[in-house]
Amino acid sequence: RKEVEQDPGPFNVPEGATVAFNCTYSNSASQSFFWYRQDCRKEPKLLMSVYSSGNEDGRFTAQLNRASQYISLLIRDSKLSDSATYLCVVNMGGNQFYFGTGTSLTVIP
Amino acid sequence: GAVVSQHPSWVICKSGTSVKIECRSLDFQATTMFWYRQFPKQSLMLMATSNEGSKATYEQGVEKDKFLINHASLTLSTLTVTSAHPEDSSFYICSARDYRGRDNEQFFGPGTRLTVL
Repeated sequence: RKEVEQDPGPFNVPEGATVAFNCTYSNSASQSFFWYRQDCRKEPKLLMSVYSSGNEDGRFTAQLNRASQYISLLIRDSKLSDSATYLCVVNMGGNQFYFGTGTSLTVIP
Repeated sequence: GAVVSQHPSWVICKSGTSVKIECRSLDFQATTMFWYRQFPKQSLMLMATSNEGSKATYEQGVEKDKFLINHASLTLSTLTVTSAHPEDSSFYICSARDYRGRDNEQFFGPGTRLTVL
């Protein structure tokens, strides 16, 4: 079983739609959680950290569910510019970071 | 967020030559940096973890004598691809951990696209 599993998609959604991604992790002792965004041929950029209490940044909401060992990312009112690959990243302590394979999102006009 | 630079952004070289890639943390000190490789349409693959002042920790299957890592200062790590071959052509990305915040996130450099002819 992979340490971090993520649905690769692709997700093709119309502008204005709400889309959600989930990511599961295997190690219950994992310490911190992140969502990154990666555009084609570019480096990953930190979107947000993820906490049990949930955190929101504009149209983006991230949530951590420790009991079920998954993190989620919700994007409301999708824009064309949201098209990218979204990576979930889990820190399992120290310098052990595990990346999901990424979920591809295309927002269609 | 923290700023990480990488140089060069792209390089084309002949087979058999060595290529050095620099990764710098511009506005913070990075005791830990990571080197990744990414092939087209694939996930990031961690190659090694670079710790300032000590030897890098390589992932299984990554040849340490081929991919030389030096992290001699708190703001600079270098990756040297020695005797590069066409199969080493890839997108190499570094990242640095920023310990100033709550979550000690990684921030990525813009990447170096290596093409070996």
